Amino acid sequence: AQSVTQPDIHITVSEGASLELRCNYSYGATPYLFWYVQSPGQGLQLLLKYFSGDTLVQGIKGFEAEFKRSQSSFNLRKPSVHWSDAAEYFCAVGAPDYGQNFVFGPGTRLSVLP
Amino acid sequence: ETGVTQTPRHLVMGMTNKKSLKCEQHLGHNAMYWYKQSAKKPLELMFVYSLEERVENNSVPSRFSPECPNSSHLFLHLHTLQPEDSALYLCASSRGDSTGELFFGEGSRLTVL
Repeated sequence: AQSVTQPDIHITVSEGASLELRCNYSYGATPYLFWYVQSPGQGLQLLLKYFSGDTLVQGIKGFEAEFKRSQSSFNLRKPSVHWSDAAEYFCAVGAPDYGQNFVFGPGTRLSVLP
Repeated sequence: ETGVTQTPRHLVMGMTNKKSLKCEQHLGHNAMYWYKQSAKKPLELMFVYSLEERVENNSVPSRFSPECPNSSHLFLHLHTLQPEDSALYLCASSRGDSTGELFFGEGSRLTVL
């Protein structure tokens, strides 16, 4: 069965600093990969997704993620964090043989210091 | 109105009550989902409907009963719940395949006393 891990439960960075959130997955082939963000009291919003092709994908709000097949990773990055980026970030995996069953990681909570 | 709308946003109920959560999507999607989000636990898929037919049911207790009368509406009927069922219940919709992103509502915060 597919699974998703996000090793960091909580990360704190200073505003303007760079950010990398880690995501590792377990699946036999290349899955479909997603990053979502959840602000307090809100639902989840898609930041970016990877299906195939270029392994570096660009998303909204200045985020990007890189798919590394050899490491089964899909880490999320941002060069300069803004205070409004403070939120919960979820990595998710989908696969053709899993239909509409997306598997989510446990989430990483990001705090931003002024 | 656009996107995915959930009502009520907050619900407090006793263990013997019967209530329902409602979800409506205005995106023309074919699939709708119920997820449960509890503190310190990953998002749990409860139900998936595709073209109004249930295609996934992840061993959810029978005290949760979904209903999908059409492709735009999804309900979660609740009865005789337990305090551990207190959580944020998120509705989502998608095109209906594993490549399609999920569009989430803002959730219904349920507290069971």
